[in-house]
Amino acid sequence: GAVVSQHPSRVICKSGTSVKIECRSLDFQATTMFWYRQFPKQSLMLMATSNEGSKATYEQGVEKDKFLINHASLTLSTLTVTSAHPEDSSFYICSARWDRVNTDTQYFGPGTRLTVL
Amino acid sequence: GESVGLHLPTLSVQEGDNSIINCAYSNSASDYFIWYKQESGKGPQFIIDIRSNMDKRQGQRVTVLLNKTVKHLSLQIAATQPGDSAVYFCAENINQAGTALIFGKGTTLSVSS
Repeated sequence: GAVVSQHPSRVICKSGTSVKIECRSLDFQATTMFWYRQFPKQSLMLMATSNEGSKATYEQGVEKDKFLINHASLTLSTLTVTSAHPEDSSFYICSARWDRVNTDTQYFGPGTRLTVL
Repeated sequence: GESVGLHLPTLSVQEGDNSIINCAYSNSASDYFIWYKQESGKGPQFIIDIRSNMDKRQGQRVTVLLNKTVKHLSLQIAATQPGDSAVYFCAENINQAGTALIFGKGTTLSVSS
């Protein structure tokens, strides 16, 4: 149980285009999901907290108009990188917090490697 | 922040040895801690967690120790195997606060045969 999927796993796009990344909790409900970004050999950096049915909460320094987050259901959150530029190239990882009493365990997706040319 | 000298970015061990990975957490209010394993090109994988009302918890080949006095967390891996080679992150949180995990810097474990 507690499987989180991401799609696509890898994407290459041209500068200026938009890319949508999906995060799904496959066998549990997740009111709250999180989006992280990870650069090579570094730790995970939280970008935003996604809550079902409400606006996402962005961390300081993360542009909400550039990284659009939509948490449409209890099992799906999407991150859209708009007008992507080479500096947006990174490994994007989502996690989902299982809606269960007395647990804050977050389960992570396999990540999406974004390369912007 | 991290205690000087406590966190090692890399750890190299021989197959069969026991490994100890250390982590210093930052928030005194944190009461929930998790260890994750991340292999190259993959997302973090849950290993074991511990709440602040415990100081030790054991899993299969892994043990987590929590010292709240010095805000120190450690992960012990028994009989380390080549498949254990990965980056290990500790993460902290305030339980049920709905907030995201705060991740440590990570330790790269290399296991040689």
